[in-house]
Amino acid sequence: DVKVTQSSRYLVKRTGEKVFLECVQDMDHENMFWYRQDPGLGLRLIYFSYDVKMKEKGDIPEGYSVSREKKERFSLILESASTNQTSMYLCASSIFGESYEQYFGPGTRLTVT
Amino acid sequence: DQQVKQNSPSLSVQEGRISILNCDYTNSMFDYFLWYKKYPAEGPTFLISISSIKDKNEDGRFTVFLNKSAKHLSLHIVPSQPGDSAVYFCAAGGEYGNKLVFGAGTILRVKS
Repeated sequence: DVKVTQSSRYLVKRTGEKVFLECVQDMDHENMFWYRQDPGLGLRLIYFSYDVKMKEKGDIPEGYSVSREKKERFSLILESASTNQTSMYLCASSIFGESYEQYFGPGTRLTVT
Repeated sequence: DQQVKQNSPSLSVQEGRISILNCDYTNSMFDYFLWYKKYPAEGPTFLISISSIKDKNEDGRFTVFLNKSAKHLSLHIVPSQPGDSAVYFCAAGGEYGNKLVFGAGTILRVKS
């Protein structure tokens, strides 16, 4: 069974803190993605990666960075958390190639106070 | 500018009736379209997809229709069930690699 896990379901951080969100997939997928979901805005792509150590900016990369040291793990980093980064963060993975289907983790609800 | 638009934020349907969710796109490079379903506090799950070489794809109670000339797709759920109540996201791919562009979502409520 396909599995994408995220390190935390709920997280509360203070403004200015450095925040790490971890995502692990067990499907040997090449592609991994980080999205944030906000009401009325849908899912917006922050960063994605097609291979280990490779990363590409999505539509809203400002204030975020990523790390992919191993194929199964993709980390999202908020360098200095701000209140406008309060959101639901979703990680996804997919096979490289013709399939567009992405498999999502359960999400991390991050609140920055 | 939103490349994938779901203009109805919400839809309410009676159990047993048809639910029709709509999606419009602007980018002609999109050649693959997907619908995802999302329950609160869970990640989205894949529902059904369609390639641009087709105009219809069915899977049980779910059918997706694609009108390429109008750049419009729709998801039909027949018959609707209370367990279908969720947020439905339309997504499009083909612009670049395996990246998807998502719409804002439509909240479907199926009343029993």
